[in-house]
Amino acid sequence: EAGVAQSPRYKIIEKRQSVAFWCNPISGHATLYWYQQILGQGPKLLIQFQNNGVVDDSQLPKDRFSAERLKGVDSTLKIQPAKLEDSAVYLCASSPSIYEQYFGPGTRLTVT
Amino acid sequence: AQTVTQSQPEMSVQEAETVTLSCTYDTSESDYYLFWYKQPPSRQMILVIRQEAYKQQNATENRFSVNFQKAAKSFSLKISDSQLGDAAMYFCAYRSAGGGADGLTFGKGTHLIIQP
Repeated sequence: EAGVAQSPRYKIIEKRQSVAFWCNPISGHATLYWYQQILGQGPKLLIQFQNNGVVDDSQLPKDRFSAERLKGVDSTLKIQPAKLEDSAVYLCASSPSIYEQYFGPGTRLTVT
Repeated sequence: AQTVTQSQPEMSVQEAETVTLSCTYDTSESDYYLFWYKQPPSRQMILVIRQEAYKQQNATENRFSVNFQKAAKSFSLKISDSQLGDAAMYFCAYRSAGGGADGLTFGKGTHLIIQP
């Protein structure tokens, strides 16, 4: 079974630029999550999708972050414009049930 | 809101020895799930063990076991016969069982070092 795929693995941008991350969940997983993991901290939930609907985006900085999940499969997370404090690893996870979330390898973003 | 606290930023153990990682959490919910995840330098988050709050029996997965104390809101991970491959960041995480919004709330992690 293929795991959660994410791209790119690394991205370096300057502040005020925009960036987008892509996630392809495990086939058949209805629930998809985006987490932000700042260096030295645990991941923090940004947004949760159930199929193509948003379940929870209470911690998403909506003035600069946006996410979508078209057709209930792939998802993109966008930051526009980026700030220095957005430097982090962005993890995507998908879940078939409440018992377990499967994580992708993450995208490491560096904002200079 | 739920919070998860891991008070040990770093732990070190000799290979083949036993180590216990601590985790406490705060919640007003009665039904929830607790997890330990392992994150090696590759960044891939891997599930180690899961505990359902309604189960009194502590979960066990091979060399990994937990001590779940619901009243004390404590959830520690014991690793027996430590191996070099166990070296990683370990995160304790909480997940509501109420349905709907069920993203994980993570602690800050414990860096586990295995001394050969």
